[in-house]
Amino acid sequence: SAVISQKPSRDICQRGTSLTIQCQVDSQVTMMFWYRQQPGQSLTLIATANQGSEATYESGFVIDKFPISRPNLTFSTLTVSNMSPEDSSIYLCSVDRADTGELFFGEGSRLTVL
Amino acid sequence: DAKTTQPTSMDCAEGRAANLPCNHSTISGNEYVYWYRQIHSQGPQYIIHGLKNNETNEMASLIITEDRKSSTLILPHATLRDTAVYYCIVTGGGSQGNLIFGKGTKLSVKP
Repeated sequence: SAVISQKPSRDICQRGTSLTIQCQVDSQVTMMFWYRQQPGQSLTLIATANQGSEATYESGFVIDKFPISRPNLTFSTLTVSNMSPEDSSIYLCSVDRADTGELFFGEGSRLTVL
Repeated sequence: DAKTTQPTSMDCAEGRAANLPCNHSTISGNEYVYWYRQIHSQGPQYIIHGLKNNETNEMASLIITEDRKSSTLILPHATLRDTAVYYCIVTGGGSQGNLIFGKGTKLSVKP
């Protein structure tokens, strides 16, 4: 299995500010994935982060709003920029295990924007 | 990826088997059926997956119908800690990172 650590686990932020969420994996992985889970909703994929190339964003998500870094094979960051209350969500980092097809998730970062 | 349909919620008595159904009538030949669950305030957890044969692991069993249009996740002896939202996801091969999560089934295990 993969151990995924996310920081911060939760935060309360002011409208208009930005917050960077960190994701650390205990093993090297090719792709890392960022999901969002809005209150009472299911998970939605934001983007896929590959090491050494720009992240690939899903429909409805743009780099200016959710810039992603992937400096090495065990680490990634997601920034939520110019936050509004609608950005209040849980943001989850995940990685997959190619040999079994399992997707491992971090515990998530619960973000509240006032 | 094929769409799935699951009941919104189910109840199960502690110690009994929990049978969670999933319909995926538009599944294509190379698509797998995956099950994940999400316990409150935690990230989703992988349970099991299969292509056409029934599968069993230490957590659950997966029964896939012969026509592959539906499946059932079985938790043989449900405990209170199995209370969670269970997601049935159908996806093709390759990286599993771009999973499409539906609403899932909220399973409540009651004493």
